[in-house]
Amino acid sequence: DQQVKQNSPSLSVQEGRISILNCDYTNSMFDYFLWYKKYPAEGPTFLISISSIKDKNEDGRFTVFLNKSAKHLSLHIVPSQPGDSAVYFCAAQNTDKLIFGTGTRLQVFP
Amino acid sequence: EAGVTQFPSHSVIEKGQTVTLRCDPISGHDNLYWYRRVMGKEIKFLLHFVKESKQDESGMPNNRFLAERTGGTYSTLKVQPAELEDSGVYFCASSHGGETEAFFGQGTRLTVV
Repeated sequence: DQQVKQNSPSLSVQEGRISILNCDYTNSMFDYFLWYKKYPAEGPTFLISISSIKDKNEDGRFTVFLNKSAKHLSLHIVPSQPGDSAVYFCAAQNTDKLIFGTGTRLQVFP
Repeated sequence: EAGVTQFPSHSVIEKGQTVTLRCDPISGHDNLYWYRRVMGKEIKFLLHFVKESKQDESGMPNNRFLAERTGGTYSTLKVQPAELEDSGVYFCASSHGGETEAFFGQGTRLTVV
């Protein structure tokens, strides 16, 4: 029973364009959401987060949008760069722990 | 400042053997977490230490897994005896008290054959 779902296992985007990664969740009690980026043979690296009381958080090229009524969040990367190619994990905080989705592999091609 | 360090990076053991994974968190981080990713699936929570105390071990699969954090510094995760389904990448993460962002180590890839 997955509480956090990333339904797109992969995404391919041209350099310079927008990448949109999606995440759905089932538990309305989550109070914090995070995005992590993971390169091969490395651990996940924190990217950006959003509190459940907000609907948008922006940090440079990265923006996270939260739609609580739809239990949906998305990560926008603009403009996409080849170095953004990685696996992106959506995570929700439940008390003391993070609940992760299965990840979306983003490939940014020239 | 050194990040979260895990040892070993890879381990291949036979079914029935014992393996001990080690995690050194970022200095000063009271929170230490263990997670596991199996076969490209989601990263799953195993347990959470606050200093040397187990705050939440609801994700531990069974009693073949034993985690310790003596002295509130580094932590070990022992699997005894290992089974085939224990194969995966084990991640350790740490954070300051009260902070949401957790910093992850590079992981230990465990293969049980």
